[in-house]
Amino acid sequence: GIQVEQSPPDLILQEGANSTLRCNFSDSVNNLQWFHQNPWGQLINLFYIPSGTKQNGRLSATTVATERYSLLYISSSQTTDSGVYFCAVEWTGTASKLTFGTGTRLQVTL
Amino acid sequence: DGGITQSPKYLFRKEGQNVTLSCEQNLNHDAMYWYRQDPGQGLRLIYYSQIVNDFQKGDIAEGYSVSREKKESFPLTVTSAQKNPTAFYLCASSIESGRVYNEQFFGPGTRLTVL
Repeated sequence: GIQVEQSPPDLILQEGANSTLRCNFSDSVNNLQWFHQNPWGQLINLFYIPSGTKQNGRLSATTVATERYSLLYISSSQTTDSGVYFCAVEWTGTASKLTFGTGTRLQVTL
Repeated sequence: DGGITQSPKYLFRKEGQNVTLSCEQNLNHDAMYWYRQDPGQGLRLIYYSQIVNDFQKGDIAEGYSVSREKKESFPLTVTSAQKNPTAFYLCASSIESGRVYNEQFFGPGTRLTVL
């Protein structure tokens, strides 16, 4: 099956700082999603981005499918950005099934 | 108010008992999914259903069962055969499995603890 690796595993930032989270995957994908899991466990959809670049407020994401990676950028971080960020991919070999990475745990401090 | 609901939020079970977790969606989505999350880990797929009256095993189906009698509902039963059932269970849905666009949306989850 496909392997999904996220880095860094843990990240501590001061409020206002910028960060880049990375997702590497080992094979071709149909789709890629970024999620934020809040402290209550809810998974919040951030981006659906199989290729290209998207922006939503302080967050943006870029997926380079040919090189098998995606990046999530968080600018001017806020304490409410704390939580775990997951990348999940739909491998071309298994349509409709998402394979998740192990996540990046982000803590934003005052 | 469209969305995915899961109940109960917390569930405690004695060893040897079967329990059923509820998942309902009013998004008119064809496909529904069940995932399991262990502490510090990503999500793993248990079962998924692309259409009513049909479902497929995911990566960790042993000890679980599902049904899909209605488009809106996809209940998950955790049986006594599941060796380590304590986990966080998340249900998801997408408009149609196999489409070019197939974004998955998640419910709030159920935390199951086996005593």
